[in-house]
Amino acid sequence: DQQVKQNSPSLSVQEGRISILNCDYTNSMFDYFLWYKKYPAEGPTFLISISSIKDKNEDGRFTVFLNKSAKHLSLHIVPSQPGDSAVYFCAASALGQFYFGTGTSLTVIP
Amino acid sequence: DTGVSQDPRHKITKRGQNVTFRCDPISEHNRLYWYRQTLGQGPEFLTYFQNEAQLEKSRLLSDRFSAERPKGSFSTLEIQRTEQGDSAMYLCASSLVGTAGELFFGEGSRLTVL
Repeated sequence: DQQVKQNSPSLSVQEGRISILNCDYTNSMFDYFLWYKKYPAEGPTFLISISSIKDKNEDGRFTVFLNKSAKHLSLHIVPSQPGDSAVYFCAASALGQFYFGTGTSLTVIP
Repeated sequence: DTGVSQDPRHKITKRGQNVTFRCDPISEHNRLYWYRQTLGQGPEFLTYFQNEAQLEKSRLLSDRFSAERPKGSFSTLEIQRTEQGDSAMYLCASSLVGTAGELFFGEGSRLTVL
């Protein structure tokens, strides 16, 4: 049973525009939500996180929004850059366990 | 380099052979995780340790899989009698209890079972 879902397998965005990656979850016990970025042949790298008690966290060009009532979070990247092209995984944690979505492949077109 | 390191990076083996992967976490991290990732999927949880104690194992971890973390430092993941379905990337990650809990991943060990 997939507790974290990323329904868009891929996304293409023009350089300089906003990229919005979406994630839905089912377990209301999750207390942290995280985004990871993965390049081919590398392990995922941590990008940004948000606690379940907040609704927004911003770090430079990256902002994560959490809507607990909808059990939905999103990652906004603005402005998008070609180097942002990668697979992005959404993850949620509870009691030391982390659950990952299936990833969204972002392509930023120069 | 003080990140998470995994060895070997690639392993090709014949069906029925045993393989062992090693993970060295970030030194001050007390939690260590093993995940498996196949093409088009996100990392799937296998097991995790807090110090030397194995706290949880996934249903995915059949009795052919065993993980250890002696002395709470490095960890090994052994797969006995490998099957073609075991072909995947095996990822190790570590974290520090009490922080925001983000995982720091190694580069993974890719297993190909022929």
